[in-house]
Amino acid sequence: DTAVSQTPKYLVTQMGNDKSIKCEQNLGHDTMYWYKQDSKKFLKIMFSYNNKELIINETVPNRFSPKSPDKAHLNLHINSLELGDSAVYFCASSQVPPTSGVGETQYFGPGTRLLVL
Amino acid sequence: GNSVTQMEGPVTLSEEAFLTINCTYTATGYPSLFWYVQYPGEGLQLLLKATKADDKGSNKGFEATYRKETTSFHLEKGSVQVSDSAVYFCALSESHTNAGKSTFGDGTTLTVKP
Repeated sequence: DTAVSQTPKYLVTQMGNDKSIKCEQNLGHDTMYWYKQDSKKFLKIMFSYNNKELIINETVPNRFSPKSPDKAHLNLHINSLELGDSAVYFCASSQVPPTSGVGETQYFGPGTRLLVL
Repeated sequence: GNSVTQMEGPVTLSEEAFLTINCTYTATGYPSLFWYVQYPGEGLQLLLKATKADDKGSNKGFEATYRKETTSFHLEKGSVQVSDSAVYFCALSESHTNAGKSTFGDGTTLTVKP
């Protein structure tokens, strides 16, 4: 069973189009994330949701809008795609450990490779 | 704020060579420290972690010790294999307050040649 899944795995589209990426986790975690990884492998957090509420919103253009219909799903919609949006987008999830003072392990999906032409 | 600095890559080694990837951090509290590995075409996955000072995390022959005095968490492996070729990320996470957020280093690409 896949813990964190994303669809689609590959997405090739034209500039100016609107596209969505879906993410689902079956780990029962409370928190989900979207990351962007560029061609140099740098990983940048975009958004984080905890129990369907937005808790982290880094400096991401308004063209990116996350939606969490329930705590197992976090989707990412991108309007008016630009060349610079080409990257790999990773969904991840985590759970607050029961022991206080312990940080959270993140579980990543396989990634969505977006290419904007 | 928190930050993680890891050794710049790429790193190229021959099979059976000794590996060290340096990682240092700054944090306001007492973070847990992690190494994640990303194999080609895949997402990141946890390699090992340590939750308090002097803890040693280990997995698949890799080790890292949480050194509070030097704020470091260097990754080591005694004898690398071709299958260890991947991107390695050092990360920290502080205990959850009202937001779960990990801070990642820039990643170090390791290539192991037969």
